[in-house]
Amino acid sequence: DIQMTQSPPSLSASVGDRVTITCRASQGISNYLAWYQQQPGKVPKLLIYAASTLQSGVPSRFSGSGSGTDFTLTISSLQPEDIATYYCQKYNSPLTFGQGTRLEIK
Amino acid sequence: QVQLVQSGAEVKQPGASVKVSCKTSGYTFTSNIIIWVRQAPGQGLEWMGWISAYTGNTNFEQKFLGRVTMTTDTSTTTAYMELRSLRSDDTAVYYCARVAGITPRYPIDYWGQGTLVTVSS
Repeated sequence: DIQMTQSPPSLSASVGDRVTITCRASQGISNYLAWYQQQPGKVPKLLIYAASTLQSGVPSRFSGSGSGTDFTLTISSLQPEDIATYYCQKYNSPLTFGQGTRLEIK
Repeated sequence: QVQLVQSGAEVKQPGASVKVSCKTSGYTFTSNIIIWVRQAPGQGLEWMGWISAYTGNTNFEQKFLGRVTMTTDTSTTTAYMELRSLRSDDTAVYYCARVAGITPRYPIDYWGQGTLVTVSS
């Protein structure tokens, strides 16, 4: 099975910082890649799909890029409400998630 | 609006079974895949499997083969997930979620609220 590896596992940044999270697939997955945000105690929320398409209603400070095996999620200017764990997921079956990146405010 | 409402928390003994329901509304039930995801305390998201509400076809993560059943009832637009031979490491929040299309080649766009299943003697 294709494995999804996120880095870093955790990250501490200041409000206003540019933040980048990476996700690597063990084999090529084209652009079947989504990013989800899970705020503490809440249900995951879709941020990005098809590697770079912003889900409706998601702030434009979030962006995604990549194709094949290497993908990134970027937050251009970190806001306090962005404190969450972020997961990548490949969605050509099996629908494997990355292990998550916990983002904290410094 | 699209809603997925799950059944309430469960406490089960090791070796027992649990069946979680997921009542959907606000969309055409047979137009989407339903996926089940679990999250152990303090851990990440783990995909368990999916079911097509249109065909009834299923696909499971290998570690759950033989222990999980997923079904749908189109008359009540409800999906079900049954996990058998429960162990303590099955303690988790179980989510149903809607895939944004009729095949699994779409992301998840709506989630249920989650059902906590606690396995303890």
